[in-house]
Amino acid sequence: DTGVSQDPRHKITKRGQNVTFRCDPISEHNRLYWYRQTLGQGPEFLTYFQNEAQLEKSRLLSDRFSAERPKGSFSTLEIQRTEQGDSAMYLCASKKTSGETQYFGPGTRLLVL
Amino acid sequence: GNSVTQMEGPVTLSEEAFLTINCTYTATGYPSLFWYVQYPGEGLQLLLKATKADDKGSNKGFEATYRKETTSFHLEKGSVQVSDSAVYFCAVQGGSEKLVFGKGTKLTVNP
Repeated sequence: DTGVSQDPRHKITKRGQNVTFRCDPISEHNRLYWYRQTLGQGPEFLTYFQNEAQLEKSRLLSDRFSAERPKGSFSTLEIQRTEQGDSAMYLCASKKTSGETQYFGPGTRLLVL
Repeated sequence: GNSVTQMEGPVTLSEEAFLTINCTYTATGYPSLFWYVQYPGEGLQLLLKATKADDKGSNKGFEATYRKETTSFHLEKGSVQVSDSAVYFCAVQGGSEKLVFGKGTKLTVNP
C-alpha cells in the first residue's frame, strides 16, 4: 500500500520567490488536506478538498497561498512572493470520505532566506 | 472553535518507566480524538484514536480513554522503551473536517 507522498522534501528559496509543492494522496482517498507546522508547534489546518472541490479554507491561507486539485488526484500548494514567516513544514494528508483517520505524508520543509 | 491543551514537554524517562501525557480538549458535539506520533525525521503517524465517549484506543502498548465528563484523552504506557522516543500530538476533530492539534510533547527515553 503506497502512502501519501510529497515533493520536494526540502526547499530553500529567497524571499519574494514563488514555490510550489506537490502531494500525491493514497489512491482512492477522496479527501486531501494541507496543514502547516512551525517549529515547536502542532500542525495547523490550511485547507481541504473533496475530490477536486476545495471545501474549506483557513484564514491562515492568505491571498499569497493557492491550492488546487484539478483532477481530484494529486494536489499542489503554491506560495507566491514568499516571506520569511512562511518557513515551516507543509504537511499533506488524505482520507476516504467514509473514513475516520487522516494519513499524513512526510512533509515538505520550506526555508525562506 | 475546537482546541487542545497538551502537557508541555520535554519529558525524559528511563526505560521501563510509566508514561502519562495529559490532553484536554474543548469541542462542541461529539468529537473524535486522536494521538499522533512523530519519530525523528519522519511524518506524523496515527498512534490511536477514539470516536465516542468511554471508548479506549490502544496500540503498541499505548492506551487512551475518551472521557467526556472531564473532556480528556490522556495517553498512557506502562513500560516505555528507547524506541518510543518521539513527539506526541493530541488532536480533536469535530464539527468540521479539520484536525486541531496540541503543541506536542517531546518524549526522550534513556536506556
